Amino acid sequence: QKEVEQNSGPLSVPEGAIASLNCTYSDRGSQSFFWYRQYSGKSPELIMFIYSNGDKEDGRFTAQLNKASQYVSLLIRDSQPSDSATYLCAPEGRYSGGGADGLTFGKGTHLIIQP
Amino acid sequence: GAGVSQSPSNKVTEKGKDVELRCDPISGHTALYWYRQSLGQGLEFLIYFQGNSAPDKSGLPSDRFSAERTGGSVSTLTIQRTQQEDSAVYLCASSLATGSGTQYFGPGTRLLVL
Repeated sequence: QKEVEQNSGPLSVPEGAIASLNCTYSDRGSQSFFWYRQYSGKSPELIMFIYSNGDKEDGRFTAQLNKASQYVSLLIRDSQPSDSATYLCAPEGRYSGGGADGLTFGKGTHLIIQP
Repeated sequence: GAGVSQSPSNKVTEKGKDVELRCDPISGHTALYWYRQSLGQGLEFLIYFQGNSAPDKSGLPSDRFSAERTGGSVSTLTIQRTQQEDSAVYLCASSLATGSGTQYFGPGTRLLVL
């Protein structure tokens, strides 16, 4: 059973600062991870996918993966009020021949960027 | 091309009635997933389809829930004898294949059982 843990927050960060979101997971076999952003009343949208140890940067977003410690994080630089949302992490589903898991999401971290 | 679409966007029903939720995935996506999100809760995986086949139905909350997919495209999630605890947003997602690749979510169906 895969488990994904996130601090539910709310995490309040001043505008322009770096927001740091963390996620730990229980399945040591998980190889890659998604970060989704979900605005209130909207459906999740993908913002990052990472499969290698280390950092992956995309604009103001940096995902960090440490498989040995079983955590993945998301950094948002120069935080904007429009970044205020819930951020969900999920290990990629695996197809085992007998079945595949849907994504097991953490409960998400509610991020608030204060103007 | 068009994204994942779901209908209806909102559904209000009375306890005990049956409801049918529809999902139309992105064209060419063979994998389709159903999730449920209750108010203030995380996303709960319900069932997935690879083509028209749903190999694992253990994620469905009860035997009142069923799902089917025809023609490798549209899927319907049916809830029989709805209960108030079924009230939630039901989200559908699709991906190119199961077990890999990004899942793209539809806008969801907001179900309220009175």
